[in-house]
Amino acid sequence: EAQVTQNPRYLITVTGKKLTVTCSQNMNHEYMSWYRQDPGLGLRQIYYSMNVEVTDKGDVPEGYKVSRKEKRNFPLILESPSPNQTSLYFCASKDNRQSNEQYFGPGTRLTVT
Amino acid sequence: GNSVTQMEGPVTLSEEAFLTINCTYTATGYPSLFWYVQYPGEGLQLLLKATKADDKGSNKGFEATYRKETTSFHLEKGSVQVSDSAVYFCALRSQGGSEKLVFGKGTKLTVNP
Repeated sequence: EAQVTQNPRYLITVTGKKLTVTCSQNMNHEYMSWYRQDPGLGLRQIYYSMNVEVTDKGDVPEGYKVSRKEKRNFPLILESPSPNQTSLYFCASKDNRQSNEQYFGPGTRLTVT
Repeated sequence: GNSVTQMEGPVTLSEEAFLTINCTYTATGYPSLFWYVQYPGEGLQLLLKATKADDKGSNKGFEATYRKETTSFHLEKGSVQVSDSAVYFCALRSQGGSEKLVFGKGTKLTVNP
């Protein structure tokens, strides 16, 4: 089954404790991205990757890092989480940069206290 | 920059009522337009899309027409069901650069039996 998976689905952590949210897709997609969803703001892109070893900032990259060492994986790293990073995070992928249909993971709800 | 404005929710309807969710956009050129749906506890799913002016996207009884002259992409359904209860997001794909999706803030629809 074609899918995007994220782990963990739920995470409560404390300020400053480094964490990684994993994302994996099994569709051999080139393009992957991370979004955060906040009430009243919709979804905003954090980082994106057009292919292996090619990543770039989206609209709200501060406080986040990503890496793309393999095509299928695109982890989101919070080196020193802060309460304003409490949010619902979605990973997404699509075939390539020009593709219209984007596939979303189920989401990771992160709470930073 | 590119932006999407959709009607504020929440929207509450009775089963079999007619649904309209308004969406207008600001963008240069001819962006592709989308409606995504998010059911409770799940990630976003593509509902329908339109890639050029006057195109009509349709799926599961939902329709939306790409109107270049009014920069609109309103979502409609003639007879809603309880199972349509979800959050609906209008989005555009920006051309060039990150090719990211730009989302509206979402409209929560509740359909009562």
